[in-house]
Amino acid sequence: DAGVIQSPRHEVTEMGQEVTLRCKPISGHNSLFWYRQTMMRGLELLIYFNNNVPIDDSGMPEDRFSAKMPNASFSTLKIQPSEPRDSAVYFCASSLVTGGANQEETQYFGPGTRLLVL
Amino acid sequence: AQSVTQLDSHVSVSEGTPVLLRCNYSSSYSPSLFWYVQHPNKGLQLLLKYTSAATLVKGINGFEAEFKKSETSFHLTKPSAHMSDAAEYFCVHGSSNTGKLIFGQGTTLQVKP
Repeated sequence: DAGVIQSPRHEVTEMGQEVTLRCKPISGHNSLFWYRQTMMRGLELLIYFNNNVPIDDSGMPEDRFSAKMPNASFSTLKIQPSEPRDSAVYFCASSLVTGGANQEETQYFGPGTRLLVL
Repeated sequence: AQSVTQLDSHVSVSEGTPVLLRCNYSSSYSPSLFWYVQHPNKGLQLLLKYTSAATLVKGINGFEAEFKKSETSFHLTKPSAHMSDAAEYFCVHGSSNTGKLIFGQGTTLQVKP
């Protein structure tokens, strides 16, 4: 398996521009997670989906951020308009969540997208 | 509510000496616990996981962790550090049934020659 795939790996943009980050989860996984990592705040969960449905978006910083999962093999995280404080590494992770007791919940992470907003 | 506390933000060891990265957890039920490692400019990689099958868990690259319920700890150890072990290590608590993970703040491991 190729693992979780993210694109682009690096993105440099100017303030005010729209940024779209993409993620392909591991085939067969039913849950997908978007994280943001910065030096100041560490690793933060932004939103997660189960069976393509957003379950918890309480970590999304503000309305400029939106995420979609149109099908089981693709998700996007969009920032519009982008601001310098959005500069961070954005990780996508996927797992197989069965809902039963004592499940493992192991998440597998992609390599991340390093975003720089000038 | 579940939480994890990594007791050291930075640990420095010499190559060939033992590694101990400390983690305490708080949970109202039998937890699932993980250690992830992140090398510079890389994604997070699963080192090992505890899911109540055995209290001593062996992971990749010679790492292991022991679940101690009486101490609410899940410390990560390795008998002999290698230069390639220098990285950020995260202790993580799984959330029952939701699939969410709760991350500790991370411990930076430095390995000196």
